[in-house]
Amino acid sequence: GEDVEQSLFLSVREGDSSVINCTYTDSSSTYLYWYKQEPGAGLQLLTYIFSNMDMKQDQRLTVLLNKKDKHLSLRIADTQTGDSAIYFCAERGGGYQKVTFGTGTKLQVIP
Amino acid sequence: EADIYQTPRYLVIGTGKKITLECSQTMGHDKMYWYQQDPGMELHLIHYSYGVNSTEKGDLSSESTVSRIRTEHFPLTLESARPSHTSQYLCASSGRDTSYEQYFGPGTRLTVT
Repeated sequence: GEDVEQSLFLSVREGDSSVINCTYTDSSSTYLYWYKQEPGAGLQLLTYIFSNMDMKQDQRLTVLLNKKDKHLSLRIADTQTGDSAIYFCAERGGGYQKVTFGTGTKLQVIP
Repeated sequence: EADIYQTPRYLVIGTGKKITLECSQTMGHDKMYWYQQDPGMELHLIHYSYGVNSTEKGDLSSESTVSRIRTEHFPLTLESARPSHTSQYLCASSGRDTSYEQYFGPGTRLTVT
């Protein structure tokens, strides 16, 4: 089945950039997503990218997709303490309505 | 702001009890999902539904059951709770927009003693 992998933990200083990485195995992925989960809450969609795109920028967020290597990254510029959360990468396969979530990366922002 | 609700938010219950976790959405979404989330963060899909009277088991085997009698309602039931059922349960829904974004409820944290 599909597999989505992320590193478990990332620590950055406030004001620095954060880069969270994700790899996936499904070559037929059509949409790739980044979700954010704050403590005690459900997941919230941050941004998504269609598989025929290489990059998408949305304010402080930049998503890069390397389809050949099946690698997705999320860059957060000027990271703030409010960005501390768990970030999930997810992918949706072609013609298949189920979404596979990654293992989650816990981002800690040090003031 | 997503309009998807879960009750209760927190539940502590003894072994052997029957429990139902409620999930409702007011967005008219046809697809709904239940995930179990480990303390170590990973999400596991345990049930999903593509519409009324449609339910399927997910990737992770679960002793729970679900029903979808109304579009907006997708309850999850455990007939006999056990300590191994202690977990966070997240409900989600998605509609027909092209991004297929899933909207998540706040979750139910279940502890079985």
